Amino acid sequence: DTEVTQTPKHLVMGMTNKKSLKCEQHMGHRAMYWYKQKAKKPPELMFVYSYEKLSINESVPSRFSPECPNSSLLNLHLHALQPEDSALYLCASSPAPRNEQYFGPGTRLTVT
Amino acid sequence: LAKTTQPISMDSYEGQEVNITCSHNNIATNDYITWYQQFPSQGPRFIIQGYKTKVTNEVASLFIPADRKSSTLSLPRVSLSDTAVYYCLVGELADKLIFGTGTRLQVFP
Repeated sequence: DTEVTQTPKHLVMGMTNKKSLKCEQHMGHRAMYWYKQKAKKPPELMFVYSYEKLSINESVPSRFSPECPNSSLLNLHLHALQPEDSALYLCASSPAPRNEQYFGPGTRLTVT
Repeated sequence: LAKTTQPISMDSYEGQEVNITCSHNNIATNDYITWYQQFPSQGPRFIIQGYKTKVTNEVASLFIPADRKSSTLSLPRVSLSDTAVYYCLVGELADKLIFGTGTRLQVFP
């Protein structure tokens, strides 16, 4: 298995909802990442997990809460989002920190 | 982290070689140079990474001059499917990648 999978592909949620995005990889990678990408803009790093520990949090609002239950799985819990949080959320993994990253297809999130 | 500057867009025709140059004047000694490709509504895809001189793989070549203040991604004989955004990134810590604005490559028949 040589890919990063993300579910769901699309998500529409209200501002009072709680939802979660899921990312999975079975390549034995030990670093995993969340990015946010707005239309026609480059991806912006949100969080980095290195060996299942949160190593980087790029000053992301607390309404985004990451979780890494094990080395293959990465979740992003969403609560009380704002319409401006609508974006493509990308997950990536790398064999180890400092290696090249492999991205999933993303979850298209719309907050209404 | 070193800032990168790339052309906003480039046009080419099928079968031509495309060279995209990235400027990174304040690159640090331990920094690597990495290029990613992104199609609309998809995640970026790793293309190539290098530190100095020349690196080649099955899809591209990366040329880095001795002063390392710039780099050039070379795509041989592009096809329509190479139409995408290409990002140049520079940094020691690959886990803290900062994507620049990227170069939007349009390939015409």
